Amino acid sequence: EAGVVQSPRYKIIEKKQPVAFWCNPISGHNTLYWYLQNLGQGPELLIRYENEEAVDDSQLPKDRFSAERLKGVDSTLKIQPAELGDSAVYLCASSQGQGRTYEQYFGPGTRLTVT
Amino acid sequence: RKEVEQDPGPFNVPEGATVAFNCTYSNSASQSFFWYRQDCRKEPKLLMSVYSSGNEDGRFTAQLNRASQYISLLIRDSKLSDSATYLCVVNRGTGNQFYFGTGTSLTVIP
Repeated sequence: EAGVVQSPRYKIIEKKQPVAFWCNPISGHNTLYWYLQNLGQGPELLIRYENEEAVDDSQLPKDRFSAERLKGVDSTLKIQPAELGDSAVYLCASSQGQGRTYEQYFGPGTRLTVT
Repeated sequence: RKEVEQDPGPFNVPEGATVAFNCTYSNSASQSFFWYRQDCRKEPKLLMSVYSSGNEDGRFTAQLNRASQYISLLIRDSKLSDSATYLCVVNRGTGNQFYFGTGTSLTVIP
């Protein structure tokens, strides 16, 4: 079974430029998460989708970040414009979200460097 | 207060040693508990779920203490390949809300 797929794996951009990350969750997983992880820290939730609905986006900086999950499968996270402080690893994860299948599975992440 | 707190370490132990990590959580309504392992520059990977009765998987044992609101991970007979960061993860159960600790760094020394 294929895991969570993310692209690109690495991205280097100049500040004020836009950037987008793509995620394809595990087939059948209704819940999709975008996390941000800084060095030496645990992942921090940006947004959580149940199917195509964003049910928790309280930590998403909405002035510059946006996300969508059309058709309840793939998702895109966008930053516009990027700032130096956005340099981090952006992780996508998915889960079935029922009973003991709350277990989350992560993609390899996108390492963003803003210069 | 943070939802999940872990001692960041680092823990440096010799091969063959037994090492234990603890993690505390603040919300008594938390329902599901997990340990994830994260290698350097890699994504977190599920190591084991933590069940109320405690559970064991080979050299790894996880325990939950709801009264004191902490979970633990015990690694016996440490291997060099156990070197990684171990993340404690808690789910409130009211939705798919996961809270991560900052991770505990383990280095197993030859």
